Amino acid sequence: AQSVTQLDSHVSVSEGTPVLLRCNYSSSYSPSLFWYVQHPNKGLQLLLKYTSAATLVKGINGFEAEFKKSETSFHLTKPSAHMSDAAEYFCVVISSGGYQKVTFGTGTKLQVIP
Amino acid sequence: DAMVIQNPRYQVTQFGKPVTLSCSQTLNHNVMYWYQQKSSQAPKLLFHYYDKDFNNEADTPDNFQSRRPNTSFCFLDIRSPGLGDAAMYLCATSRGRGDLSNEQFFGPGTRLTVL
Repeated sequence: AQSVTQLDSHVSVSEGTPVLLRCNYSSSYSPSLFWYVQHPNKGLQLLLKYTSAATLVKGINGFEAEFKKSETSFHLTKPSAHMSDAAEYFCVVISSGGYQKVTFGTGTKLQVIP
Repeated sequence: DAMVIQNPRYQVTQFGKPVTLSCSQTLNHNVMYWYQQKSSQAPKLLFHYYDKDFNNEADTPDNFQSRRPNTSFCFLDIRSPGLGDAAMYLCATSRGRGDLSNEQFFGPGTRLTVL
């Protein structure tokens, strides 16, 4: 079985303060993990991905995430929030192998307060 | 630029009137996906094509069909739209083979309104 849990449905931070969006997963196979961002009425944009290389992954717009197998976590962080970061963030797990099962987390809405 | 294109961006249809949403890609990817996303929810996978092989998710209603006439194009047909089918429909592609084979590239979506 495969599942993704985004622990917070809403996160609110002040501009210039750190961002932490949490994601835990379970998968029977060696998964690939992704973080996508979605601005209102837009498609999903890839922020970063983990595909069994370095466990600390750097993405676009200053975001990064660390894959921790022992904790089955892939939390997304950014040192300093910007107003433009306000959006919905999805953690996604895709199993490797012949049939690629895709599982989305329920999303975390990030609010950035000026 | 290589990309995933969805047309139209906004579609209005009437209850029960068939509607077709279109997706095209210039990435030459093997896999194409259709997702349904309702307000404030995560995208829900409806089905995907791996080349010409169609893979339907178990809980996708029969009202939803798909066609992939060639590598570049994939269509979502809703045979008899109900009010509950109003949503954003997202198309995505992935390479399907080799390195980074399962990274998905998303189109901008088509927002469907059912009157």
